[in-house]
Amino acid sequence: KAGVTQTPRYLIKTRGQQVTLSCSPISGHRSVSWYQQTPGQGLQFLFEYFSETQRNKGNFPGRFSGRQFSNSRSEMNVSTLELGDSALYLCASSTGTAPANTGELFFGEGSRLTVL
Amino acid sequence: AQKVTQAQTEISVVEKEDVTLDCVYETRDTTYYLFWYKQPPSGELVFLIRRNSFDEQNEISGRYSWNFQKSTSSFNFTITASQVVDSAVYFCALIRSGNYQLIWGAGTKLIIKP
Repeated sequence: KAGVTQTPRYLIKTRGQQVTLSCSPISGHRSVSWYQQTPGQGLQFLFEYFSETQRNKGNFPGRFSGRQFSNSRSEMNVSTLELGDSALYLCASSTGTAPANTGELFFGEGSRLTVL
Repeated sequence: AQKVTQAQTEISVVEKEDVTLDCVYETRDTTYYLFWYKQPPSGELVFLIRRNSFDEQNEISGRYSWNFQKSTSSFNFTITASQVVDSAVYFCALIRSGNYQLIWGAGTKLIIKP
């Protein structure tokens, strides 16, 4: 069973640019969550999608957006990049059906974004 | 508000020693779930265990064991006879029932020296 796949694994952008990150969940999983990990702030929840609908959103500015497609693949976009957006962006998938699978997430290896 | 505290930033032990990672949580909910995840150098977080708030039984899985005590709001994780492969960052997390947003601790970096 293939795991969660995130692309690209590494990328470098400059301030003001935008970036799109992609996540392919485990087959059959309908929920995709995104997390930002930085040394200073740790792991922070960005948003969660289930069946193409955003079900939860964290406290990030509107520059951070996402979407989910009918095949459950998800993308997140960050516009007008700032230096502070440099981070490891982790995608996680789950069946999304509470409460049995609540919180049991399967993570990808992340996309490491560096903003110069 | 919900919060997870992992006071130990980094722990270093010699292989075969036992080590306990502490986790203290705060929540006003009566129904919630607690988790431990492992993050090896590769970056991906690996699910280790989930505990719901109504189940205070300790759990053992091989060399891993977890002690959940609601009275002290703690969910500690012990590795017995540690191995070099256990070196990683370990995160404790909390989620309220019906929610899909994990609240994470800051993580404890565990270094196992050969």
